[in-house]
Amino acid sequence: LAKTTQPISMDSYEGQEVNITCSHNNIATNDYITWYQQFPSQGPRFIIQGYKTKVTNEVASLFIPADRKSSTLSLPRVSLSDTAVYYCLVGDALPGQNFVFGPGTRLSVLP
Amino acid sequence: KAGVTQTPRYLIKTRGQQVTLSCSPISGHRSVSWYQQTPGQGLQFLFEYFSETQRNKGNFPGRFSGRQFSNSRSEMNVSTLELGDSALYLCASSLDGASNYGYTFGSGTRLTVV
Repeated sequence: LAKTTQPISMDSYEGQEVNITCSHNNIATNDYITWYQQFPSQGPRFIIQGYKTKVTNEVASLFIPADRKSSTLSLPRVSLSDTAVYYCLVGDALPGQNFVFGPGTRLSVLP
Repeated sequence: KAGVTQTPRYLIKTRGQQVTLSCSPISGHRSVSWYQQTPGQGLQFLFEYFSETQRNKGNFPGRFSGRQFSNSRSEMNVSTLELGDSALYLCASSLDGASNYGYTFGSGTRLTVV
């Protein structure tokens, strides 16, 4: 499983766009990149997943460069409720493998 | 559709006791994974079950065990509880445990060992 590196914490203000970058230099050909969001005392919540280029859904965008050694989660116009820990995970599509969660990025959105 | 249901939500146990936690996955999901989350160690993988078989196991002592039933519901058991077992225990379900489908986590069981 590829190891990931993310900033430990980030601060932002309401209404701003937030970009969280994750490094995964050892990503394998079959690996997907998945981002989760976790609020205190709750389980992580799936945000977005991608393999290459750009993926967009109703809550976020995921940018993956051609070499796939990093990825950027983009949250448009954050609000106070986006304050949470964000995890970047990399794993292949083989059933039974487990995710290795790093410490994640603690995003604080300020008024 | 109903999400992943974990029971109980909160539990207080005494050192030396044993505890059983329950997880009901999303209907149709056959894979259930268990994680332990503590402030010091973060989220750590315990084990994963698929079709009643344990497919993968993390680095935890044998006091931690689990099982999965034919309806995909899963239980995890911790015997001889230690203070360090105090944590949020999370289960996650997915169709078959393959990462390209993503995982849906429950809200967890907060276990406090006193």
